[in-house]
Amino acid sequence: QKEVEQNSGPLSVPEGAIASLNCTYSDRGSQSFFWYRQYSGKSPELIMFIYSNGDKEDGRFTAQLNKASQYVSLLIRDSQPSDSATYLCAVNEGPGFQKLVFGTGTRLLVSP
Amino acid sequence: KAGVTQTPRYLIKTRGQQVTLSCSPISGHRSVSWYQQTPGQGLQFLFEYFSETQRNKGNFPGRFSGRQFSNSRSEMNVSTLELGDSALYLCASSLSTGAPRQETQYFGPGTRLLVL
Repeated sequence: QKEVEQNSGPLSVPEGAIASLNCTYSDRGSQSFFWYRQYSGKSPELIMFIYSNGDKEDGRFTAQLNKASQYVSLLIRDSQPSDSATYLCAVNEGPGFQKLVFGTGTRLLVSP
Repeated sequence: KAGVTQTPRYLIKTRGQQVTLSCSPISGHRSVSWYQQTPGQGLQFLFEYFSETQRNKGNFPGRFSGRQFSNSRSEMNVSTLELGDSALYLCASSLSTGAPRQETQYFGPGTRLLVL
């Protein structure tokens, strides 16, 4: 059973701080890794994807991938109250697959 | 470019009925995937269609089925509804260009189904 693990939180950070969200996955054959943000009552919205070891930056967001440790993280710099949401880590099962395996999500609360 | 659209947005059914949900992908996207989201199980993959063929399937009973049309629009059907089928059903589309490591799925707003 391929699994993606996330701490459910809530992770509470003050406005302007760095929020660090973590995710581990069980399948070493996983190819692509995604972070989605989901506001309450809404559908998941893509933030970033990463498929190579290392860091990938996009604005205030940085995704980090370590395939040897089977670990993916998302850093949010200068956190804003509008960043308060559930962050879902998703892993593509393998080549040729369009089957995302999701973690249960980490709830982030950014206080003003 | 318009995003993924899903209809209807809300649906109330009773046990034993069947339901059909519709999804229109982003223009040019050829792959459509369906997911079920519940508070207890989170987001779970149902199936994926590409070029009118089911390419991947999750671990759901045969009551859950789908199809894709030549214009890439997709429908999902659930027969003999059970209370546990109450959920948010999400459709996601992707280009599926043949570069799997760079496939990205974009979600529609979802259809919220309540089974009474």
